[in-house]
Amino acid sequence: AQSVTQLDSQVPVFEEAPVELRCNYSSSVSVYLFWYVQYPNQGLQLLLKYLSGSTLVKGINGFEAEFNKSQTSFHLRKPSVHISDTAEYFCAVSEKGNFGNEKLTFGTGTRLTIIP
Amino acid sequence: NAGVTQTPKFQVLKTGQSMTLQCAQDMNHEYMSWYRQDPGMGLRLIHYSVGAGITDQGEVPNGYNVSRSTTEDFPLRLLSAAPSQTSVYFCASRPSGQVWYEQYFGPGTRLTVT
Repeated sequence: AQSVTQLDSQVPVFEEAPVELRCNYSSSVSVYLFWYVQYPNQGLQLLLKYLSGSTLVKGINGFEAEFNKSQTSFHLRKPSVHISDTAEYFCAVSEKGNFGNEKLTFGTGTRLTIIP
Repeated sequence: NAGVTQTPKFQVLKTGQSMTLQCAQDMNHEYMSWYRQDPGMGLRLIHYSVGAGITDQGEVPNGYNVSRSTTEDFPLRLLSAAPSQTSVYFCASRPSGQVWYEQYFGPGTRLTVT
């Protein structure tokens, strides 16, 4: 079965500093990986995804993530954060092969707080 | 397009009461699902549907029923509310096929059971 671990429940960062949000996954088969963002009092939005190909993927709002198969990780990074990046970030995984019935398993989330 | 809509936004129930959370989408998506979000636990899948007339259980289905009579609607029923069902509920939909990963979430329903 697939699972996701987000190692940090809360990450405070000063404005304009870089940030890395960590995500590790577990699966016995190949996976698709995602990061979602949830702004206060809103639903989730897809930030970026890894399906195949280049291991460095870029998303919206200047975020990027790198898929590392050997370390089973998919960490999210941004070189310079802004106040508007304050949100909760969820890593999610889906196992390949379940055509038509792909299920997402979410991590427990990381609350990113930007300090002015 | 309205996307995924959920009603109500907030609800307070007494233990033992029943209610239905409504979810609708206007994107003609085949796949719809219900999640609950609890602090420190992320999102957990309650029930999902791969098309009209087809539903299945997710990770935490106990205490909830669903049906899918149309492509657009996917209501979630709480049969006899319990305090453990206090949570934020999200409905989501996505297309099937090559862009299956483009999942769209509704704004959520915050439910409190006293």
